[in-house]
Amino acid sequence: DAGVTQSPTHLIKTRGQQVTLRCSPKSGHDTVSWYQQALGQGPQFIFQYYEEEERQRGNFPDRFSGHQFPNYSSELNVNALLLGDSALYLCASSAAAKGADTQYFGPGTRLTVL
Amino acid sequence: AQSVTQPDIHITVSEGASLELRCNYSYGATPYLFWYVQSPGQGLQLLLKYFSGDTLVQGIKGFEAEFKRSQSSVNLRKPSVHWSDAAEYFCAVGPSNAGNNRKLIWGLGTSLAVNP
Repeated sequence: DAGVTQSPTHLIKTRGQQVTLRCSPKSGHDTVSWYQQALGQGPQFIFQYYEEEERQRGNFPDRFSGHQFPNYSSELNVNALLLGDSALYLCASSAAAKGADTQYFGPGTRLTVL
Repeated sequence: AQSVTQPDIHITVSEGASLELRCNYSYGATPYLFWYVQSPGQGLQLLLKYFSGDTLVQGIKGFEAEFKRSQSSVNLRKPSVHWSDAAEYFCAVGPSNAGNNRKLIWGLGTSLAVNP
C-alpha cells in the first residue's frame, strides 16, 4: 500500500519564478492538505482540497494556488516566488468519510528560492 | 485564540532513560489531538492520536500520551528511549466536529537528542 508521495524531492528556483509541486494521496484517501514548514518551525496550513475544490485556506497570499484532480492527486502552485517561500512543503492526505482528520504526510518537497 | 505550545524547544536524554514531552493547547472546544515525529529531512509520521475515551493513549514505537482535559495538556511519554528516537516531535490539535474546518494547529516542535 503506497503512502503519500510527493515530487520533486528538491527544487531550486530564483525570485519571481513560478513552481508547481505534486502530491499523490495514500490509497483510499480523497482529501489533500498542503503545509509550509520553514526551517525550525512547525507546519503552517496552506489549504485543503476535497472533491476537486478548495475547502479551507490558511493565511497565505493568492500567489499560492492549488488544484485537485479526479484521481485525488493534487498540485500546489506558487507564483512570483520570494526568498521567504524557501521551505519544506508537505502534503497530507486523509479520508473525508472517516470524519476525523487523521492526516498522513508525504516526505515533502524542499524548495529553495535564490 | 487557538494555539499549541510545546514549552521545551530542545531536550537531551540518555539512551534507556524515560522521556516526557509537554504539549499545552488553547482551543474553543475539546479538540482532536495528535503527536507526530519528524526525522531530519523527512515528512511527518503519526505517532498517536486522541479522539475520545481513555485519557491514556497508546501509539507506535512504544510511545503513549496522557490527555488531561483540566490542564489542556497532552504529554507524550516513553519509558525507555532508544537512540533511533532522536528526532523532532510535533503536537497538533484539530476540530472534533467534522465539517468545513479541518485545519490542524501545530506547535513549534521539540527537538530530542539521545546520548549513548
